[in-house]
Amino acid sequence: QTVVTQEPSFSVSPGGTVTFTCGLSSGSVSTSFSPSWYQQTPGQTPRTLIYSTNTRSSGVPDRFSGSILGNKAALTITGAQADDESDYYCVLHMGSGIWVFGGGTKLTV
Amino acid sequence: QVQLQESGPGLVKPSQTLSLTCAVSGLSIDSYDHYWSWIRQAPGKGLECIGYIYYTGSTYYMPSLKRRLFISLDTSKNQFSLELYSVTAADTAVYFCARVSLLKDYFDNWGQGTPVTVSS
Repeated sequence: QTVVTQEPSFSVSPGGTVTFTCGLSSGSVSTSFSPSWYQQTPGQTPRTLIYSTNTRSSGVPDRFSGSILGNKAALTITGAQADDESDYYCVLHMGSGIWVFGGGTKLTV
Repeated sequence: QVQLQESGPGLVKPSQTLSLTCAVSGLSIDSYDHYWSWIRQAPGKGLECIGYIYYTGSTYYMPSLKRRLFISLDTSKNQFSLELYSVTAADTAVYFCARVSLLKDYFDNWGQGTPVTVSS
C-alpha cells in the first residue's frame, strides 16, 4: 500500500520562508496526482489552501504557493506569520476515485 | 454558498452502531460534479478519508472499514449519512463531512466536524 509522506514538523521564523513536501513511499508525485493542501488549526475545520498542484483556493493569500519540486509536491509559505502556525496536510488523488491524506506537517512559527 | 453540517450522537457504546448525518445546503447533492465524503481524525492524529458516495448511490469505502461502514444519501432531504457498525474505542474521532470536486480532484467544502467518543 502506497503511503503519502510529509515531514512531521517544521519551524520557521516570522517573515521567513518554509517549504513542505508531499511524497510517495513508492514512486514520484506529478501533477497527475492533483496535489491539494489543507491547513488545520487544532480543533478547527481544515481549510483548503491549494488544489490542482498550484491553484490557490478563494481567499488564500498569495504567500501560499504550490508546486512540484523534484519527485514531490510542495507547499511554500513566503513571509510566514504567527497565525500560519498550524498543521498542514497534503492529499493526492491516486486514481480510481481514491484520495489519500499525508500524515501532516506541524508548523511552528 | 454551499454549507455542510454534521449531526449525530457524541457518545456511542462499544459494539453499537455510530450514525451520523451531513445536511447540505446551497447545492443539490444530485450533483454529477461532486462526491460526498466522510473524513475522520482520531485524537492527536491526522485526517483520513473513510468513504464517499456519488449521487448515483455508488460508494467507496476505506478497505479497513469496508465490512463495517455504510454510506447512504437522501435526496429528498439533501443529506447523506454514515453508519459504522460494531464500533470500538479506535473509532473515537472527530468526523467531518466534505464535498469532493470531481472537476479539480480536491476537497472543496468541509463541515465543522462532530466529535464522537466510543465508551461505555
